[in-house]
Amino acid sequence: DAKTTQPNSMESNEEEPVHLPCNHSTISGTDYIHWYRQLPSQGPEYVIHGLTSNVNNRMASLAIAEDRKSSTLILHRATLRDAAVYYCILRDLNAGGTSYGKLTFGQGTILTVHP
Amino acid sequence: DSGVTQTPKHLITATGQRVTLRCSPRSGDLSVYWYQQSLDQGLQFLIQYYNGEERAKGNILERFSAQQFPDLHSELNLSSLELGDSALYFCASSLGGRGTGNTIYFGEGSWLTVV
Repeated sequence: DAKTTQPNSMESNEEEPVHLPCNHSTISGTDYIHWYRQLPSQGPEYVIHGLTSNVNNRMASLAIAEDRKSSTLILHRATLRDAAVYYCILRDLNAGGTSYGKLTFGQGTILTVHP
Repeated sequence: DSGVTQTPKHLITATGQRVTLRCSPRSGDLSVYWYQQSLDQGLQFLIQYYNGEERAKGNILERFSAQQFPDLHSELNLSSLELGDSALYFCASSLGGRGTGNTIYFGEGSWLTVV
């Protein structure tokens, strides 16, 4: 699986935007960029995913660089509930064999939101 | 609520014992994944089943085994338990199938403490 690099931690103030970066310089053409987050004592939850174009949903926006070697998860107005570990994951959905769409988690970015 | 149900939520057992963790996937999901999360290892993929068949294997110990039943629920069996097996075990599910890009939904986990 292609690897991603994220900062260990980031901090934000409540109601301010947060930009969480992710580098994935070895991304392949069939890798989708997925973001999951894990709140304390809970299972990971899906946030957003994309392939080439920027994506928006009710939770966040995903900005993907033109060369796809990096991406940024954008939380438009952080709330205290957004404090979590955010994982940027590449998922090769056309892979056979042992990959088969599973998620491989790295260390993620610990986001702290201050009131 | 992700729709993935895991039981038990908490389990304390002694070294050398055997336990079974149970998972009911979201309605309609054919793929089930098992993950282990410990403080020092992060989220580790163990195994994946799709419609009753094993499809991908991660760092699952030989003392651990899993299966997916015809009604699509899954069980993770952990035997000859050691102190180091103490962790949070997550089950996740998705519609599954190659190239579908289906979101993976996680349960709330089963906390296993081995004493």
